[in-house]
Parts: sequence; structure tokens; C-alpha cells
Amino acid sequence: GNSVTQMEGPVTLSEEAFLTINCTYTATGYPSLFWYVQYPGEGLQLLLKATKADDKGSNKGFEATYRKETTSFHLEKGSVQVSDSAVYFCALRPDTGRRALTFGSGTRLQVQP
Amino acid sequence: EADIYQTPRYLVIGTGKKITLECSQTMGHDKMYWYQQDPGMELHLIHYSYGVNSTEKGDLSSESTVSRIRTEHFPLTLESARPSHTSQYLCASSTSNTEAFFGQGTRLTVV
Repeated sequence: GNSVTQMEGPVTLSEEAFLTINCTYTATGYPSLFWYVQYPGEGLQLLLKATKADDKGSNKGFEATYRKETTSFHLEKGSVQVSDSAVYFCALRPDTGRRALTFGSGTRLQVQP
Repeated sequence: EADIYQTPRYLVIGTGKKITLECSQTMGHDKMYWYQQDPGMELHLIHYSYGVNSTEKGDLSSESTVSRIRTEHFPLTLESARPSHTSQYLCASSTSNTEAFFGQGTRLTVV
């Protein structure tokens, strides 16, 4: 079946540090890949997405590249801010069958001033 | 901004009560979902709807039931709430080609 594995948190960084959150997936075919962000007490918001191999998704300074050869979709940001503190979820949507999202376990990011 | 709404945002209810969590979207999406989020943050699909009058169970077994009589409305019902049902419930919608849009969630506490 489909699955997503992402690095465990919490990840604690100082403001302006470089961020990487690793995400790998297992799926047949050509799934679409997503990063969602959840702020305290809120639902999930789409951060970025990529729908085919070698696509790069980007938004608000965050980037992730769909690497089919390594089945990865790592999230990066060059300089984090305190306002980036949240929980980040990697997810995949299969290209056939039931097209519901399968999520990773989430990574909590804490950015200190 | 996503046009998907969940009510109530917070609910504290006694054991044995019947509850319905509401979810509505105004985007005309055919697919709707309910996810349960445990305290450890993991999200588990509990119900999925392809369209009107089409629902199926998700990956995580749940005692809740759903209905999809109208495209925009996907309520979740618990006939007899128990403390083990305490969790956050997230509703989402999408088409086959869009990302999923999420509501703000309902945090349910059964005492």
C-alpha cells in the first residue's frame, strides 16, 4: 500500500537558520506529492505541491522537488522565521483508485528568536 | 482561501450522547473526506465520499457514520459517544485534479 515517512520532530532552529524536513514515500505509479502546514488550533493548509517527477513546488520561501529516483520530496527553506513554527505534513495522492491523501506522521518545527 | 466549514469548532459532550459534526463546502467539489487526528498529530482517513450517495470507510476503523445527500454537505455522526472518540476531526474536499482543502477542524471531547 501507499505510505509516507517523514523525519521525526520536534525540529528546533534559530531564526534565519536553514531548514530541511525529509520525506520519502512508497507508492505505485505516479502519485502527486504535497506539503501541508498546520498552525496551532487550525486545520491544514496547502504549502506546496508537485504532480510529476522533477517538478519543484515552492511557496513562501519553501521548496520541495519531486525525486522519483529516490522517492523523496524533502522540504527546504533557506531562512526560517518565528512565524514558521508549526507542524508540517508530507502527503501523497495516488494517480489511480481511491485518490485520498496519505499523510506522514508530521514534523513539529519550533523556531526560536 | 478555502471555502470549507466545520461546526462546531469545539464540543464537550457526555458519554452516550449522539453527536453530529457538520462539514460544508461551497467549491462544488465531488470528493469529500473525514480524517481523525490523534494527539500524536497523525492523520487517519476514516471516511471518503466520491460524490452524492457514495461513501466508503477509510483506512482507520471508526464507529462513526457519514452521509452525502448533497454535494456540499458531508456530516459525520456518532450514535453513542465514548471517551475513546475524543479526538480532532478534520473534513476536506477536492476534485480528482486539485489538492485537498481542509476545514478548521472540530475538537471533540467526550467526558
